[in-house]
Amino acid sequence: GAVVSQHPSWVICKSGTSVKIECRSLDFQATTMFWYRQFPKQSLMLMATSNEGSKATYEQGVEKDKFLINHASLTLSTLTVTSAHPEDSSFYICSARVAGGLNEQFFGPGTRLTVL
Amino acid sequence: KNQVEQSPQSLIILEGKNCTLQCNYTVSPFSNLRWYKQDTGRGPVSLTIMTFSENTKSNGRYTATLDADTKQSSLHITASQLSDSASYICVVSARGSARQLTFGSGTQLTVLP
Repeated sequence: GAVVSQHPSWVICKSGTSVKIECRSLDFQATTMFWYRQFPKQSLMLMATSNEGSKATYEQGVEKDKFLINHASLTLSTLTVTSAHPEDSSFYICSARVAGGLNEQFFGPGTRLTVL
Repeated sequence: KNQVEQSPQSLIILEGKNCTLQCNYTVSPFSNLRWYKQDTGRGPVSLTIMTFSENTKSNGRYTATLDADTKQSSLHITASQLSDSASYICVVSARGSARQLTFGSGTQLTVLP
């Protein structure tokens, strides 16, 4: 099946710093990638939809200037959490969509962000 | 409003026993329904995906059913193993919606020895 990787798998940073998370589709090209965040004991919440070569579409309530998304190629999307604060601590998961058919999304393993 | 509700919220069973998880949805127009397994601290992994015309699909010890008329799905796990302990998430996709999946809140399954 399609494989999606994320890097890093976990990161700890100080408040006020920026953190970049990478999402890669390893064996397929993904024109669309999605970024989710998940708080403990809750389900995934869509943050933004990232299309290769164009600006990301953010869900209501998600600050686009705080969560910068770049989808520079068909296999890589990055999420940068700018000026991170403790409330940004969460589990961030990306997914990549295989176009056509059932438009199935394949999820990455997630990145645990802890902001001190 | 599209919604997916799962029950029970949590479930504890003994190793070797069977169990069934439930999912009710109000997503329209319906495209497909997926069951994912999410281990703690990991991303979701697909177990099954079913379209409108499918009413059952198996993946090893996992068997999913779909009743599109009543908008219900179930995931049956047979001969449970300790490694089955995880959150099981029901996700429904709407037809024509390229981006939106509607996630259930998951059922946390714990398998005890």
